[in-house]
Amino acid sequence: QSALTQPASVSGSPGQSITISCTGISSDVNSYNYVSWYQQHPGEAPKLMIYDVNNRPSGVSNRFSGSKSGNTASLTISGLQAEDEADYYCSSYTSSSTLDVFGTGTKVTVL
Amino acid sequence: EVQLVQSGAEVKKPGESLKISCKGSGNSFTTYWIAWVRQMPGKGLEWMGIIYPGDSDTRYSPSFQGQVTISADKSISTAYLQWSSLKASDTAIYYCARRQRGMDVWGQGTTVTVSS
Repeated sequence: QSALTQPASVSGSPGQSITISCTGISSDVNSYNYVSWYQQHPGEAPKLMIYDVNNRPSGVSNRFSGSKSGNTASLTISGLQAEDEADYYCSSYTSSSTLDVFGTGTKVTVL
Repeated sequence: EVQLVQSGAEVKKPGESLKISCKGSGNSFTTYWIAWVRQMPGKGLEWMGIIYPGDSDTRYSPSFQGQVTISADKSISTAYLQWSSLKASDTAIYYCARRQRGMDVWGQGTTVTVSS
């Protein structure tokens, strides 16, 4: 199955808000509320930031929020901080393989 | 708190076989799915497949079907990822992760290098 489409890079200044999009098709993002978002710093394992579209695991800052509209899911980071600079990946369940599929990944740069 | 601890880095030659492991702590290993994820050098994350150690129900991403084998031994709370004949293109970091509401617990990753 094809990867979900994310912008290659997004940047913002400290304190600003940024939004990362994740576009799929009818058999994944559009059809299921099983979208997750992961943060990965260089040399580290990914970390779950959002699950089931808009739920934050315990311990994740409320500056991170998720949403979905049709085929596109979004991750918003508000009050951008230097520590938010990382790669971000979305993931969605897909009926085409009865597994999940990752997005292409977005590098977030804090200016 | 559940933790996943993966086996150490491996350096192999093309054509060799390999089996890497992912050991879960706690006594709930049979109650959640374990996924395997590949990350090639400088690239993104790729779903490989998933196993439910409780009954060994296993599913593969089409891209990895027939290329790897996923298994588990619930008696020792360990999941495995194996290759029968490695290729240079298998060089990557491989992560295992618990899949519940998203993948909420990750192993530290196993680096596999395949080079002649």
